[in-house]
Amino acid sequence: DIVMTQSPHSLALSLGERATINCKSSHSVIFGSNSYNYLAWYQQKPGQPPKLLLYWASTRESGVPDRFSGSGSGTDFTLTISSLQAEDVAVYYCQQYLLNPFTFGPGTKVEIK
Amino acid sequence: EVQLAESGGALAQPGGSLKLACAASGFTFSNYAMNWVRQVPGKGLEWVSAISGSGGRGEGPFYADSVKGRFTISRDNFKNTLYLQMNSLRAEDTAVYYCAQVKGQSGYSQLPIDRWGRGTLVTVSS
Repeated sequence: DIVMTQSPHSLALSLGERATINCKSSHSVIFGSNSYNYLAWYQQKPGQPPKLLLYWASTRESGVPDRFSGSGSGTDFTLTISSLQAEDVAVYYCQQYLLNPFTFGPGTKVEIK
Repeated sequence: EVQLAESGGALAQPGGSLKLACAASGFTFSNYAMNWVRQVPGKGLEWVSAISGSGGRGEGPFYADSVKGRFTISRDNFKNTLYLQMNSLRAEDTAVYYCAQVKGQSGYSQLPIDRWGRGTLVTVSS
């Protein structure tokens, strides 16, 4: 199984600051046939189901603000929120969907300082 | 509008069974692979199972190791409904279970999830 890890576990930043969340997979999530990274990022606010933010590691879902961006390849990935807003308070998860089981990371909680 | 509505969550005894259902509407259900994802209240997400859509060439279904041999995912494309039959329930199966649709109607499961239901709570306790 591919094990997903995330760091930090939580972070508290001031409004307008840059937030960086790291995700690491135990095996590469690049599919050889198309060279895509099978890696998604989700945002979950309290009392709500998760929401897809980014997929193929860096493709922003429709309607997601451009302050959210994704980077990385292979086994190391980053979600960046360029300027933290109050509505970004949430838990963020990465997930690999290359190999069964399609594992999630443990989540990173983002709060406002 | 895409809607996913889970039902069937309840209090069950250890060793017992439950069957969850997810009624889908607003899209061509048969074309999409579907997932079940669970979450212990206050904890992280755990992927549980996936089943391909009609174009998925019969791949899977797929299961997390924690439920393999106990849970069975299925779908009725005529009723636009996804199911999760849960047998030999354990206390650690207690969670909110989300029905989730992948992005893209290729039928394959190897896709991100872009639609989620509101979830149904399963509690396993004596």
